[in-house]
Amino acid sequence: SQQGEEDPQALSIQEGENATMNCSYKTSINNLQWYRQNSGRGLVHLILIRSNEREKHSGRLRVTLDTSKKSSSLLITASRAADTASYFCATDNRGSTLGRLYFGRGTQLTVWP
Amino acid sequence: DTGVSQNPRHKITKRGQNVTFRCDPISEHNRLYWYRQTLGQGPEFLTYFQNEAQLEKSRLLSDRFSAERPKGSFSTLEIQRTEQGDSAMYLCASSLDLWATEAFFGQGTRLTVV
Repeated sequence: SQQGEEDPQALSIQEGENATMNCSYKTSINNLQWYRQNSGRGLVHLILIRSNEREKHSGRLRVTLDTSKKSSSLLITASRAADTASYFCATDNRGSTLGRLYFGRGTQLTVWP
Repeated sequence: DTGVSQNPRHKITKRGQNVTFRCDPISEHNRLYWYRQTLGQGPEFLTYFQNEAQLEKSRLLSDRFSAERPKGSFSTLEIQRTEQGDSAMYLCASSLDLWATEAFFGQGTRLTVV
């Protein structure tokens, strides 16, 4: 069953704008990971944030985690047309098989030139 | 390319036929996972290997599905007597045997059952 739930389901912005995607989940986690998927392709790992971390940065990506609210956000700054893709959050749940990931339905991001 | 490799990339088969997919994980990764993704959904877990041992199977994995990982290297996923509902993207992922480590996915095999 799916665990995370991304919001919004779809996001459309202009190049140069920032894109924020949110993820909510239901159980305690070991870590949360964000992935990107271009249409019809595999998933590309973007960033992993551990349950004891609150914020991580990687290039133009910023991820936050609030375990008290069971939520995470992914911010892409200065977006580019090449960022157009589906973005998924995935949780590695405490008490579940180590490394087994539970995905949401994703946010479809469209960046217009 | 030293990433996760999946073959074939696309497979079209007639209902009732058997199909087999292959996954070659990143060489030093002990853990290997299979997921299935249908249109508009996120990937759903199918099964997990720790080296050659299959340690968990999802209820999604009916008895028509079987997966192997001989010698703890590549893995195969076989679907027998395919049904139209099996049409999906089948994704393989691998990771190191460490706590809180990222999983790396292959490009997937898209199965269409006609």
